[in-house]
Amino acid sequence: GAGVSQSPSNKVTEKGKDVELRCDPISGHTALYWYRQSLGQGLEFLIYFQGNSAPDKSGLPSDRFSAERTGGSVSTLTIQRTQQEDSAVYLCASSLFDRVYEQYFGPGTRLTVT
Amino acid sequence: RKEVEQDPGPFNVPEGATVAFNCTYSNSASQSFFWYRQDCRKEPKLLMSVYSSGNEDGRFTAQLNRASQYISLLIRDSKLSDSATYLCVGHTGGFKTIFGAGTRLFVKA
Repeated sequence: GAGVSQSPSNKVTEKGKDVELRCDPISGHTALYWYRQSLGQGLEFLIYFQGNSAPDKSGLPSDRFSAERTGGSVSTLTIQRTQQEDSAVYLCASSLFDRVYEQYFGPGTRLTVT
Repeated sequence: RKEVEQDPGPFNVPEGATVAFNCTYSNSASQSFFWYRQDCRKEPKLLMSVYSSGNEDGRFTAQLNRASQYISLLIRDSKLSDSATYLCVGHTGGFKTIFGAGTRLFVKA
């Protein structure tokens, strides 16, 4: 079946602009994660959604970052007033409700802020 | 101190060699651990789980040492295709996942 998809695959934006990154999880997966990976670094947890529960936003680095998940499926990560330090690969992952530790990742969105 | 720490490497080994990576964790409440593999410029993929009794899958063996708070990954008879970054992941029982920065492995012919 289809895996996790993300769009766009690459995004170049100017400092100060807002960007939206999209994630389509695997059908039937109720858990959805967003991570950030800077060059040569590990994955940094950003936010977690599980079904209709309130999301865990504890990893969002600043109030410029926000995320939504509509209808328990598609998720959008929004970064307002982008800064150069926001440049990274943004990865989305999904999993089944009872197997949240087995995460399936999308190909990521490479964000470059100039 | 980071919650999950790994030796970044890189580890350069010849084909056929046995190589081992360690990952230490600081939260003694951590319950579950996993190894993910990430190829260059690709997304991470689950490699194997690590439980108290350890886990073996073909050439790969993962062990958990709770007393010393570390997990290990052993790769026997290394293949060129094993070249990748290996990420250690820990969970405290909640849903927040903590990834290590990864250990890079290069297997040479």
